[in-house]
Amino acid sequence: ILNVEQSPQSLHVQEGDSTNFTCSFPSSNFYALHWYRWETAKSPEALFVMTLNGDEKKKGRISATLNTKEGYSYLYIKGSQPEDSATYLCAFIKEAYSGAGSYQLTFGKGTKLSVIP
Amino acid sequence: DGGITQSPKYLFRKEGQNVTLSCEQNLNHDAMYWYRQDPGQGLRLIYYSQIVNDFQKGDIAEGYSVSREKKESFPLTVTSAQKNPTAFYLCASSIIGGRNTDTQYFGPGTRLTVL
Repeated sequence: ILNVEQSPQSLHVQEGDSTNFTCSFPSSNFYALHWYRWETAKSPEALFVMTLNGDEKKKGRISATLNTKEGYSYLYIKGSQPEDSATYLCAFIKEAYSGAGSYQLTFGKGTKLSVIP
Repeated sequence: DGGITQSPKYLFRKEGQNVTLSCEQNLNHDAMYWYRQDPGQGLRLIYYSQIVNDFQKGDIAEGYSVSREKKESFPLTVTSAQKNPTAFYLCASSIIGGRNTDTQYFGPGTRLTVL
């Protein structure tokens, strides 16, 4: 994997269903992985920043796990609600250039979640 | 309220004209960023600035220019050299640039259409 890949591209679930989606990233030179939620007509908002292999973060009904050795992160939503409808972005941190000591985010294309009432 | 403002929300320009997109933040953040979104693509970094009077090219800087004369402002100019300027542009900021754990805070975006 050379870039960040997210799957599926889009997802429709019924209210109350639990769901999960995947972010795959290069497993070498790992620094951090960010998850953002982007609701229609709003600004992207940060959900989690994950740095350690085996990290698990939780915010209400949303949680995320991280496997840096195999290069993936899962985002889980338990008991989806209509207000969870959004595009979920993951972003992999890469060094701006070798030895830069500064970092930039490389975003995936996102997973668009629609929760049907 | 602290936040990032971008203006205008929608912008129309004729081909061949330069256009400047505004981004202002009152979060007292050192670092600011410009991203571009195209249909079916992830956000791509155009330029970023970690401190006043300094900025760096991102992955797709060609045809764009920026300035960072004040901490709170990071305007982006889309020049006539940019081959496909029609896109959605997002500005962001973070407390300190260069740390891999810093969350970025985003503005509402400007949709630029070049006719």
